Amino acid sequence: EAGVTQFPSHSVIEKGQTVTLRCDPISGHDNLYWYRRVMGKEIKFLLHFVKESKQDESGMPNNRFLAERTGGTYSTLKVQPAELEDSGVYFCASSQIWLGGNEQFFGPGTRLTVL
Amino acid sequence: DQQVKQNSPSLSVQEGRISILNCDYTNSMFDYFLWYKKYPAEGPTFLISISSIKDKNEDGRFTVFLNKSAKHLSLHIVPSQPGDSAVYFCAASVPGYSTLTFGKGTMLLVSP
Repeated sequence: EAGVTQFPSHSVIEKGQTVTLRCDPISGHDNLYWYRRVMGKEIKFLLHFVKESKQDESGMPNNRFLAERTGGTYSTLKVQPAELEDSGVYFCASSQIWLGGNEQFFGPGTRLTVL
Repeated sequence: DQQVKQNSPSLSVQEGRISILNCDYTNSMFDYFLWYKKYPAEGPTFLISISSIKDKNEDGRFTVFLNKSAKHLSLHIVPSQPGDSAVYFCAASVPGYSTLTFGKGTMLLVSP
């Protein structure tokens, strides 16, 4: 079974540009999450999709970030316009259902560098 | 305000010995705790978890202990192996929410 995949693995852009990150969850997983880790800090929750609906987007930093999950399959996270503080590793995770104890499976992450 | 704290950024242990990684939390609503392991350039991988109704969970070489009164949990690895060298993240969740709240991680180095 294929794991969670993310594209690209690395992205280097200049401040003010737009970047779109993609996540393909494990097939059949209705729950899809985005997290971010800024260097040296904890992994922080951004948002959670159940199928195509946003269940919880309380972690989104501001309106420069837009996440979509059309059709309830893959998801994209767009940052527009990017700022220096957006640099970090963006992780996507998926899970089949959410019950206490149902762990999330993480992708390898996209390392975003904003210059 | 960090709700999950891993106060040791790194830990070095010799192969065959016990590794003990610690985690403290402040949110008394947390009812489920997980440990993830992360190698460089990879995503975190689930290792072991524990519900707040238990005080111990064991899986092979890995045991997690939970002390609710102290709001403290620990991960024991016995015996430690060089392949265990990685960053270990403690995470927690509250009932009804999918959000995982992570600590900053502890880098474990197991030397031969």
